[in-house]
Amino acid sequence: EIVMTQSPATLSVSPGERATLSCRASHRIATYLAWYHQKPGQAPRLLIYGASTRATGIPARFSGSGSGTDFTLTISSLQSEDFAVYFCHQYNNWPPTFGQGTKVEIK
Amino acid sequence: QVQLVESGGGLVKPGGSLRLSCAASGLPFSDSYMSWIRQAPGKGLEWISYISRDGTTIYYADSVKGRFTISRDNARNTLFLQMNSLRAEDTAVYFCARDEQWLVHWGQGTLVTVSS
Repeated sequence: EIVMTQSPATLSVSPGERATLSCRASHRIATYLAWYHQKPGQAPRLLIYGASTRATGIPARFSGSGSGTDFTLTISSLQSEDFAVYFCHQYNNWPPTFGQGTKVEIK
Repeated sequence: QVQLVESGGGLVKPGGSLRLSCAASGLPFSDSYMSWIRQAPGKGLEWISYISRDGTTIYYADSVKGRFTISRDNARNTLFLQMNSLRAEDTAVYFCARDEQWLVHWGQGTLVTVSS
């Protein structure tokens, strides 16, 4: 099973600032990676798939990059609605696996 | 718009059974691959089962294999998860999702609590 490791566990950011989240796979996964965010009591929402393709309706301030084992999600200018937990997800190998999450909180 | 609505969760004793349902609307359900994912309280996400469009290809996580059964009724636009021999560690919110390798749409989840 591929282990996904996210860092940091918590990221404190002021509104309007840039946030950079990392995700590392224990084995190479090409670009078979997705990002989601989840607010308390809600379902996760797809942000990025294929490591860098924004899902329908996702604002351009969200961007994804990386391939192989190292991936990054960047939020260029944090809005109030972006404070949430972010998960990465690899779907290159069975079973699909998720990172443990990065909580983006208001500084 | 796409809606996935889970139901069937609740409190059950260890060793008991539950059947979860996921009612789909606003999407071509019979053309959709589907998965169940769960999230234990305060924890991350765990994919647990996948079913192909016609139900002929099915996968399970090792943690539920032999105890859980995924199925679907395309005529009723509904996905199911039969959960038997439940354990305390199965306590979680269970989400259904449309699976295109990435998980495009998610339901709001249904809480399953396994406790005596």
